Amino acid sequence: QVQLVQSGAEVKKPGASVKVSCEASGYTFTTYAFHWVRQAPGQRPEWVGWINAGNGDTKYSQKFQGRVTITRDTSASTVYMDLSSLRSEDTAVYYCAKTMYQVLIDHWGQGTLVTVSS
Amino acid sequence: EIVMTQSPATLSVSPGERATLSCRASQGVSRNLAWYQQKPGQAPRLLIYGASTRATGIPVRFSGGGSGTEFTLTISSLQSEDFAVYYCQQYNNWPPLTFGGGTKVEIK
Repeated sequence: QVQLVQSGAEVKKPGASVKVSCEASGYTFTTYAFHWVRQAPGQRPEWVGWINAGNGDTKYSQKFQGRVTITRDTSASTVYMDLSSLRSEDTAVYYCAKTMYQVLIDHWGQGTLVTVSS
Repeated sequence: EIVMTQSPATLSVSPGERATLSCRASQGVSRNLAWYQQKPGQAPRLLIYGASTRATGIPVRFSGGGSGTEFTLTISSLQSEDFAVYYCQQYNNWPPLTFGGGTKVEIK
């Protein structure tokens, strides 16, 4: 069955960068795309960006443009999200999510809590 | 950017009763609308896509309807495991994907 396993919780200082990984298993990695979605405590999910696992094409939210980079390693069936210039407002649970038809999310990772605090 | 608005914010329902949740899009999204269930400390789970198609393994008591700008999620007879927060999300006009603010279904 499909499994998405994310890296562990992170605590970062303002201005630092964080890289979260998401290892996929249970299907052919390059067939589908991934989104990254974050959720601050008590808030609605917020879309961060997308990567086509097959060809590496990416799309990013304008809100994070210039601060976020999403990559993938097909040999490791893993996608990564790198967020730089962190500020306290970036404190949230970050989820990777696999798509069903390149856009529709059908499976989510368990989430990675990123805490930004001085 | 398409804004998704859900109502009510909280719905108090007794087990066995019917619950109807609403979602409105600021512009038409055809039937490219999904519903997710989220329990505390867990990731969201896909319930409905294409406005009315149940995802794999989702019980028949969950049903979705609507198109364009108005959508509903109905839970025909609430079970204890259904008390959670429900989000709608459009995937018609993107980027960005956008989510509603959620409806919390709580025990009355």
